[in-house]
This record gives sequence, structure tokens and C-alpha cells, in this order.
Amino acid sequence: AQRVTQPEKLLSVFKGAPVELKCNYSYSGSPELFWYVQYSRQRLQLLLRHISRESIKGFTADLNKGETSFHLKKPFAQEEDSAMYYCALRALGTDKLIFGTGTRLQVFP
Amino acid sequence: DVKVTQSSRYLVKRTGEKVFLECVQDMDHENMFWYRQDPGLGLRLIYFSYDVKMKEKGDIPEGYSVSREKKERFSLILESASTNQTSMYLCASAGTAAHNEQFFGPGTRLTVL
Repeated sequence: AQRVTQPEKLLSVFKGAPVELKCNYSYSGSPELFWYVQYSRQRLQLLLRHISRESIKGFTADLNKGETSFHLKKPFAQEEDSAMYYCALRALGTDKLIFGTGTRLQVFP
Repeated sequence: DVKVTQSSRYLVKRTGEKVFLECVQDMDHENMFWYRQDPGLGLRLIYFSYDVKMKEKGDIPEGYSVSREKKERFSLILESASTNQTSMYLCASAGTAAHNEQFFGPGTRLTVL
């Protein structure tokens, strides 16, 4: 069965600290993986996708097929990074996304 | 700039009422989705549509139906609302190109009393 697991409901750090939001998936094929973010009072939006191998707002995520992980990382957290983060998987040949349960990141000053 | 709009931000209904949630997108996207968002449960897919008049059940379709009569509009219907359908409902749309992202509406917070 396809599944996305985000083990942390809440992650609290101080400004300037490194951040890692964990995401593990189960899928037998080659998935597409995404991170979506929802800032307070804003709509859910795409942060980054593994296929692009890009850094957005200082965040990066590397697909590790051996560990079936797609952790989101940022070396120095900022207060404006405080938001809800969702990891999502799309199986090959479908248009549907499977979302994890989300991790709320709080960055304190 | 893609725009996905939802008919209401907040809605309060009584148990047993029929409820319509509407979603409109202006980017000529083929795919449209309805999710519910609950704390600790993340986003769960209720239904999606890949073309006009075409629909497919998601993970939690019970108690819901959908309608897609026009490409830009996707409606979610609660035939007889129940208290356990109190939730945030998110609509999304996406094209069919490879690696396409989903664009989300602002959400409708539905309370069923």
C-alpha cells in the first residue's frame, strides 16, 4: 500500500537553528515526491518537488530510495518558516497525491 | 497566475441538511480534487475528477458525492450532513503535464451542528 509518514506532529526550533522535517514513504515503484506548505491564513502551496532538485526559500530535500525518505532540510531556520508542512507522494501513472499527516514547524525568535 | 476559488470560507449547517460546496478554477485544468483536512490526519482525498462528468472515488468518499458539469467547476455534495463531517474542505486543480503541481483553494470550514 502507498503511504506517507511524517512522524513529528510538531517541531520547535529557535531562529538560526538547523531544521529537518522527516518524511518516509512506502511505494514499490519510482514515486514523485513533493513538499507542500501552508502558512498561517494562506492556502496550501507547493514548496518543492524532488524532480526539480531545487532549493526554495533555503529548503532542500533529497530523495533517498534506499531509506525511502524525502526529508526537508534547512540549515538556518527563520521565523517566517513557521508553517504546516506536508509531504506528498504521487504514484507513477496517476494524478492523485497521497499526503502525510503534516508537521507543524514553529520557529521561535 | 492560477486561481482556485471556493464558494464559502465558513459554513454552518444542521445535521441532515444537504450541503453544496463549490470550487472554480480558471486555468483550464483537467483534474480537480476535493480533500478534507483534519488535525492529525492531514489531507485525505474524497473524490477527484479527471474530465467533465468523470469522477473517481478517493480514500474517504462515504457520505459525499460530486458533480462536474463544466470543466472549470467541481462541486462537493453532502447529501445529509452529519457532525462527523465538520472539517476544513480543500479544493485543488492540476493539469495533466508530467510533474504538475496541484493548486489549492482557500478552503471552506464547514461546521455541522
